[in-house]
Amino acid sequence: NAGVTQTPKFRVLKTGQSMTLLCAQDMNHEYMYWYRQDPGMGLRLIHYSVGEGTTAKGEVPDGYNVSRLKKQNFLLGLESAAPSQTSVYFCASSYFVSGNTIYFGEGSWLTVV
Amino acid sequence: AQTVTQSQPEMSVQEAETVTLSCTYDTSENNYYLFWYKQPPSRQMILVIRQEAYKQQNATENRFSVNFQKAAKSFSLKISDSQLGDTAMYFCAFTKNSGNTPLVFGKGTRLSVIA
Repeated sequence: NAGVTQTPKFRVLKTGQSMTLLCAQDMNHEYMYWYRQDPGMGLRLIHYSVGEGTTAKGEVPDGYNVSRLKKQNFLLGLESAAPSQTSVYFCASSYFVSGNTIYFGEGSWLTVV
Repeated sequence: AQTVTQSQPEMSVQEAETVTLSCTYDTSENNYYLFWYKQPPSRQMILVIRQEAYKQQNATENRFSVNFQKAAKSFSLKISDSQLGDTAMYFCAFTKNSGNTPLVFGKGTRLSVIA
């Protein structure tokens, strides 16, 4: 029972490099989310999607792009990584947005040097 | 915009004792949901308990219970008979019952259970 799977789990990037984080869920959830977690800041929403082919900005979207070409996948891209993007990234999914339990992946540790 | 405030960055409790974690939120909505998530050292986010605002009865899940005070916009988590495995970050979260509004999290409380 995979649930929400994130790849890669760990990555070190140089400033200016690009990369894509992949999130896959096997629960047929409509909604998917990308959060970042920084010390003392809790989890902050980067982008989210309410269905295949849709995306929306969250609280901290700058420097990130996302795509939801398939219902089960939600990709988070960093076009030109910056040290401020060093963080732990969590993907999550749910059937609905309001009131529904969301299920998290295990996190992806990204360090930008 | 909704905000969630956890005023206790760190707390500690002796094993087998009871501890209460505080959470307040700000919203003009009448219908909404509140959650407590646990994040152990493994970093996995685990749902602890969920409360629907229209329900007056406080949610309970084994040793975990909440004190939901809607008028005061307060949602505290009580952990009874604390166990070493309860050591974790605890996040309070809020979502409206309308529109496509994802969860908003507080900054978390780090709980240490001491043997």
